Amino acid sequence: NAGVMQNPRHLVRRRGQEARLRCSPMKGHSHVYWYRQLPEEGLKFMVYLQKENIIDESGMPKERFSAEFPKEGPSILRIQQVVRGDSAAYFCASSPGGQRDTEAFFGQGTRLTVV
Amino acid sequence: AQSVTQPDIHITVSEGASLELRCNYSYGATPYLFWYVQSPGQGLQLLLKYFSGDTLVQGIKGFEAEFKRSQSSFNLRKPSVHWSDAAEYFCAVGGLGDYKLSFGAGTTVTVRA
Repeated sequence: NAGVMQNPRHLVRRRGQEARLRCSPMKGHSHVYWYRQLPEEGLKFMVYLQKENIIDESGMPKERFSAEFPKEGPSILRIQQVVRGDSAAYFCASSPGGQRDTEAFFGQGTRLTVV
Repeated sequence: AQSVTQPDIHITVSEGASLELRCNYSYGATPYLFWYVQSPGQGLQLLLKYFSGDTLVQGIKGFEAEFKRSQSSFNLRKPSVHWSDAAEYFCAVGGLGDYKLSFGAGTTVTVRA
């Protein structure tokens, strides 16, 4: 039973490039969450998605960031025109949904470095 | 608003000694509480969780935590630490139907021989 799979594990981008982070939830899970961990800080909620639907994106920066969870394939967190301040670890979590929403399982994260 | 405070940024403990990590939370309803561990360069692993029932919760790797509603605390303990317990530990709070988890800033544990 594979866990939450994130790739790539490490991503280096130059300022101004685009970053695409992928997350495949656990089998049977239809809810995906993205969190960001800035250096020496805890995780901060970014966005909550179900298949083809964004439920809550209140934690997403207003510009350059977007997320999707298509009917087929992984969830994608996309950061356009990256800046140094985007350097962080981005974690994806998934859950079965319903009243068990808060029992989320985390992936190993993607560490983005902007140079 | 929900929040989590982990007062200790860094703790150093000798191998074989006991460990206690503090966590205080603020949450407007019945909280669901979690402890996660993050080893260097790794993801988050759930150590234990509290949803309801017995306030003393047993987790993996010999950890336990006690929920104290009157103190709004959920401290993590281990009677005897191993060198492999060196990691960063995060406390988090959520609730029934509340999909957002709020995390503390973490406590880094160093284990000395």
